[in-house]
Amino acid sequence: SQKIEQNSEALNIQEGKTATLTCNYTNYSPAYLQWYRQDPGRGPVFLLLIRENEKEKRKERLKVTFDTTLKQSLFHITASQPADSATYLCALMNYGGSQGNLIFGKGTKLSVKP
Amino acid sequence: DGGITQSPKYLFRKEGQNVTLSCEQNLNHDAMYWYRQDPGQGLRLIYYSQIVNDFQKGDIAEGYSVSREKKESFPLTVTSAQKNPTAFYLCASAFRRQGAGNQPQHFGDGTRLSIL
Repeated sequence: SQKIEQNSEALNIQEGKTATLTCNYTNYSPAYLQWYRQDPGRGPVFLLLIRENEKEKRKERLKVTFDTTLKQSLFHITASQPADSATYLCALMNYGGSQGNLIFGKGTKLSVKP
Repeated sequence: DGGITQSPKYLFRKEGQNVTLSCEQNLNHDAMYWYRQDPGQGLRLIYYSQIVNDFQKGDIAEGYSVSREKKESFPLTVTSAQKNPTAFYLCASAFRRQGAGNQPQHFGDGTRLSIL
C-alpha cells in the first residue's frame, strides 16, 4: 500500500543545534516533494519544494534533500531557534496523481529549547 | 494583501444540522482544496476544484458537499450525513499551470468544527 511517513512524531533539540526531520514514502513515484510549517491553530505555510531531479535545495537556514533511491527526503534547520518550534509537514505529488493533488504526512512536532 | 480567508474560526453543529464553512481567496488562484485535519492524522483531502463550476471528490468526500460558482470562493457544507464532523478544516488554493501542477498551496487559518 502507499504510505508517506514522517518518522518522528516529536523532536526536541537544543537551541543552536541542527534539526533533521525525515520523510519516507513507499509505493509512490513523486514528481516533487514539498515541506510546510504549521503553527498551532493555524494553516500550514509553504517552505520549500524540491523536484525529483534535484538532490538538494536551500533557503536561508533550511535545507532539503531528496533521494529517490532511498525514497526519502530530509529537512534540516541549521542554527535552530525557539521560534522554529512548530509542526513540519512533508507532502508529495505522485506521478499520474489526479490534478496535482498533494499527499501529506502526519507531521513532526519540533521543539527547540533555549 | 493577497490571501485566503476562512470563516468562521470556530463553529458548532447541532444534531441533524447542515453547516457551511466559508473560504475566499484573492490570489487569482484557479485551484482550491478542502482538507480535514484530525489529531495525529495528516491532512486528508475532502474536495477540490480546478476551475469554476467544476469540482471533484477527494479521499473522504462522504457527508460533505461543495460549490464553485466563483473563482474566489469555495464553500464547504458539512451535512448531517457526516457522523463524525468534529475536526479542523483547512482550505487551500494554488495556481494551476499547464503541464506543471507543482505549485505550492496557500492555506487559510482553518475552521474548528465541534458538535454541540
